[in-house]
Amino acid sequence: QKEVEQNSGPLSVPEGAIASLNCTYSDRGSQSFFWYRQYSGKSPELIMSIYSNGDKEDGRFTAQLNKASQYVSLLIRDSQPSDSATYLCAVNTGNQFYFGTGTSLTVIP
Amino acid sequence: DTGVSQNPRHKITKRGQNVTFRCDPISEHNRLYWYRQTLGQGPEFLTYFQNEAQLEKSRLLSDRFSAERPKGSFSTLEIQRTEQGDSAMYLCASSLADRTQGYGYTFGSGTRLTVV
Repeated sequence: QKEVEQNSGPLSVPEGAIASLNCTYSDRGSQSFFWYRQYSGKSPELIMSIYSNGDKEDGRFTAQLNKASQYVSLLIRDSQPSDSATYLCAVNTGNQFYFGTGTSLTVIP
Repeated sequence: DTGVSQNPRHKITKRGQNVTFRCDPISEHNRLYWYRQTLGQGPEFLTYFQNEAQLEKSRLLSDRFSAERPKGSFSTLEIQRTEQGDSAMYLCASSLADRTQGYGYTFGSGTRLTVV
């Protein structure tokens, strides 16, 4: 079983819609959770972090964490074509991060 | 501070040659990480340093791979006797250590290695 699982997609949403990205993790002791955005050929860029159960909002992005279900999600409201990228879920377990394989998102104008 | 810097950006090498990559982290970050990413996959952990001490190495890191951070600042990753399977993007990241929860990484632009 992989440490972090994501649907690889591709996920396509129309411009202005809500994009919903999901992630599950295997280690119940994980404390910190992150979402990274990665454009093709570029390195990952941190967009959200969440440590406590519940929702955390930052602009158009909302991260949701449910530790009991070992589930993390990212909602992108009012999706823009510039949001088209691969979104990586990362989980901090011990001293290193485990990354999912990423979900490819395409926002259609 | 200009962020995490990696050099070179691209490296093409013949199979069997040795290559070395350099990473300069954000100056106040005491942790430095090396990851490898292949197409369609997420970054895979290779090793990390806290200051100059190499604290953890992945089982993915064969004995052909070695990393150093001699003065707790920049780091180098060397691959000896490169193989075609080593072709990947090598990512360096840095962060501050925290006992209670982790900080997100800041990644460099990566070094893309192609072994021909």
